[in-house]
Amino acid sequence: DAKTTQPPSMDCAEGRAANLPCNHSTISGNEYVYWYRQIHSQGPQYIIHGLKNNETNEMASLIITEDRKSSTLILPHATLRDTAVYYCIVRVGSGSARQLTFGSGTQLTVLP
Amino acid sequence: DAGITQSPRHKVTETGTPVTLRCHQTENHRYMYWYRQDPGHGLRLIHYSYGVKDTDKGEVSDGYSVSRSKTEDFLLTLESATSSQTSVYFCAISDTGRSNQPQHFGDGTRLSIL
Repeated sequence: DAKTTQPPSMDCAEGRAANLPCNHSTISGNEYVYWYRQIHSQGPQYIIHGLKNNETNEMASLIITEDRKSSTLILPHATLRDTAVYYCIVRVGSGSARQLTFGSGTQLTVLP
Repeated sequence: DAGITQSPRHKVTETGTPVTLRCHQTENHRYMYWYRQDPGHGLRLIHYSYGVKDTDKGEVSDGYSVSRSKTEDFLLTLESATSSQTSVYFCAISDTGRSNQPQHFGDGTRLSIL
């Protein structure tokens, strides 16, 4: 699976949009981009995933660049409960069960 | 949230004792996974199951065994616990094994082996 690079930490004001970047310059054509988050002492929580097109769900939006070498997770109106470590992961889109490889992630702190 | 329950949530035991962790799901998903999370190592896959009585090894399977006699339950056993198995253990489930299907995680079991 392709490696990802994320900033170690970011701050965001409550109520503002949080934009979390991820670089995956070695991504292959059949690899999906996944985002998870982990709040201290809880299990990782799935947020969103995509292949080529931008995606939106009730939690967030995922913007993938045209060359697919980077992506941005957008939390449109961050709240204090969004403070967590956010992980960007790429996974091969074919074959049998594969583990999720979590890197170091980005510690997002939402400030009041 | 996905219906995943891990038990116990916390356990302290001694080296050499057997330990069994349970993962129970109410989603009727075919695939179930056991991961461990340690500082500096992220999440590492121990074993996974792709159906009743069908299991396979992950990246760090030594010292662990699993069983799945029912769709809803996946058990992780440490036959003779060692201090290196002190960790937080997470169960995950997915509807299929395809990599375009997300895995959903339970809240973990914090295991300490003294």
